[in-house]
Amino acid sequence: SQTIHQWPATLVQPVGSPLSLECTVEGTSNPNLYWYRQAAGRGLQLLFYSVGIGQISSEVPQNLSASRPQDRQFILSSKKLLLSDSGFYLCAWTPGGGYYGYTFGSGTRLTVV
Amino acid sequence: RKEVEQDPGPFNVPEGATVAFNCTYSNSASQSFFWYRQDCRKEPKLLMSVYSSGNEDGRFTAQLNRASQYISLLIRDSKLSDSATYLCVVKDRGSTLGRLYFGRGTQLTVWP
Repeated sequence: SQTIHQWPATLVQPVGSPLSLECTVEGTSNPNLYWYRQAAGRGLQLLFYSVGIGQISSEVPQNLSASRPQDRQFILSSKKLLLSDSGFYLCAWTPGGGYYGYTFGSGTRLTVV
Repeated sequence: RKEVEQDPGPFNVPEGATVAFNCTYSNSASQSFFWYRQDCRKEPKLLMSVYSSGNEDGRFTAQLNRASQYISLLIRDSKLSDSATYLCVVKDRGSTLGRLYFGRGTQLTVWP
């Protein structure tokens, strides 16, 4: 069966520090991968998506970036965090091009102080 | 205009009550429809897909009205454990990306 792992679960970082969040999927190949952010009391905001290794599309211009170095690995990064980067970051996957919903990882709660 | 709109609630109902949520979507070419459940400080989890003919899963019934572009979720005999935020989700036709559009959610609290 397929599983998605996301870490860390909680992170407190100072303003201006770098960020790296990692997500991996097991039990499938060539998944579509997504990074979402959910600010407190807000809806889900799509940040990045990827349909294959090295293929990254950005939805919202900001100081975050994403990379997909391997088929089932998706990384969210920042060189310098802002206070506004605080939120609940969720990685998700779905089989490519299908009628399926997403399966989310357990999320990372980031607080920038 | 938002792709998916929901009444944010909150809905506060007693145990055993029946409660219904509606949502509307803007793209008439939308292809697939889902309801997700999100518990406080947790990730969203797929509750059920929504099919054109309507479908039921235990106490939960989902309906789709393509002509009016709305989706509904009915919960019968509410349990305390049903307290959560319910997200309405649609996927566009022809999108090989498989991108989903999420509503902002409807909050439900079931009280004893």
